[in-house]
Amino acid sequence: EPEVTQTPSHQVTQMGQEVILRCVPISNHLYFYWYRQILGQKVEFLVSFYNNEISEKSEIFDDQFSVERPDGSNFTLKIRSTKLEDSAMYFCASYTPWDSSRGYTFGSGTRLTVV
Amino acid sequence: AQTVTQSQPEMSVQEAETVTLSCTYDTSESDYYLFWYKQPPSRQMILVIRQEAYKQQNATENRFSVNFQKAAKSFSLKISDSQLGDAAMYFCAYRSSGTSYGKLTFGQGTILTVHP
Repeated sequence: EPEVTQTPSHQVTQMGQEVILRCVPISNHLYFYWYRQILGQKVEFLVSFYNNEISEKSEIFDDQFSVERPDGSNFTLKIRSTKLEDSAMYFCASYTPWDSSRGYTFGSGTRLTVV
Repeated sequence: AQTVTQSQPEMSVQEAETVTLSCTYDTSESDYYLFWYKQPPSRQMILVIRQEAYKQQNATENRFSVNFQKAAKSFSLKISDSQLGDAAMYFCAYRSSGTSYGKLTFGQGTILTVHP
């Protein structure tokens, strides 16, 4: 079964550094998302992306965050200057309305630790 | 804005027994989708079951079924014949049908423990 692949599985970074989290969505999916889950808390929406542009973003997704799909297969989340409170699990998800019975397919997540 | 509430932070069940996880939501929309996701210790989010609000029939997937009460805005998940592998965090989620790319809004989650 097709999967959403995220790399790395775990990233440790120093406060103030830039990080890029990478995702390879399912190839025929058209809608892409980033969610985050602070340890022990609920999963929160960050941003959705369609047709090479952001379709919706949450209040969390401020100027420190950016997304892009640089080469038609990868979908990246960049955090420009990480803060301690950015430590969380980040999930990528993809979706196509033509196979909506599967719902959204999530990756395994990247655990980001900011020290 | 839509909200999703899971009032049971933790639940436990004996293996082979049945357990029901509760979820309520708040929306002014008439058409939407509801989901249950399972998150095992590996942290992967796995779709368990989905329900379209316009369908009156409750969704079922093998041992998993839902009780969808649209007027009460309630969407509970029943797990029958519980297995050790069902132990996980379970999230209820809502999606508006207004756009194809709608975001999911999640509840706080319920940790399910299965005792042998």
